[in-house]
Amino acid sequence: GAVVSQHPSWVICKSGTSVKIECRSLDFQATTMFWYRQFPKQSLMLMATSNEGSKATYEQGVEKDKFLINHASLTLSTLTVTSAHPEDSSFYICSASFQRGSSYEQYFGPGTRLTVT
Amino acid sequence: AQSVAQPEDQVNVAEGNPLTVKCTYSVSGNPYLFWYVQYPNRGLQFLLKYITGDNLVKGSYGFEAEFNKSQTSFHLKKPSALVSDSALYFCAVRDITYGGATNKLIFGTGTLLAVQP
Repeated sequence: GAVVSQHPSWVICKSGTSVKIECRSLDFQATTMFWYRQFPKQSLMLMATSNEGSKATYEQGVEKDKFLINHASLTLSTLTVTSAHPEDSSFYICSASFQRGSSYEQYFGPGTRLTVT
Repeated sequence: AQSVAQPEDQVNVAEGNPLTVKCTYSVSGNPYLFWYVQYPNRGLQFLLKYITGDNLVKGSYGFEAEFNKSQTSFHLKKPSALVSDSALYFCAVRDITYGGATNKLIFGTGTLLAVQP
């Protein structure tokens, strides 16, 4: 149980185009989903937190107009990289969180490798 | 401010030997601590967590971690390393300043574990 999927697993796009990445919780309802960015050999950088039905909360320094996050349902969140540029090339990871008893569980998707040419 | 530190960028160990991956934390109040493992080009997999209770926490794949409040540490351990344990390991702490409704995590910088055959 507690499986999170991401689609696509990798994508190559041309500079100036937009790319949408989907994050789905397959067997549970996620009250919160998180989007991370990871550079090679570095830790995860939290980009934003989204709760179903409300606007995402972006971390400091993350451009909300460039990284559009939609959390339309309890099982789906999307990240759209608008007008992508080579510097946006990275590994994007989502996670989905739900409450189990008194603690919160968080499960991660397999990641999406974005390459902008 | 809350934080976690992983002082070692890389840990090398021979197969069959015990391994330790270090993590120290700084939080106000009681910490919620986690260990995740990441294989190349993959998302994070949950290994174990400490919320409360026994200081020795057992997790997946034979890993365990010891919570030490006086030393503010949560080191990951395994009695006998396998080559397949080679991966990137992240320590994380729940960011309680965010509020109680979600499970925002603060990650360490990661430690690359290399197990030699």
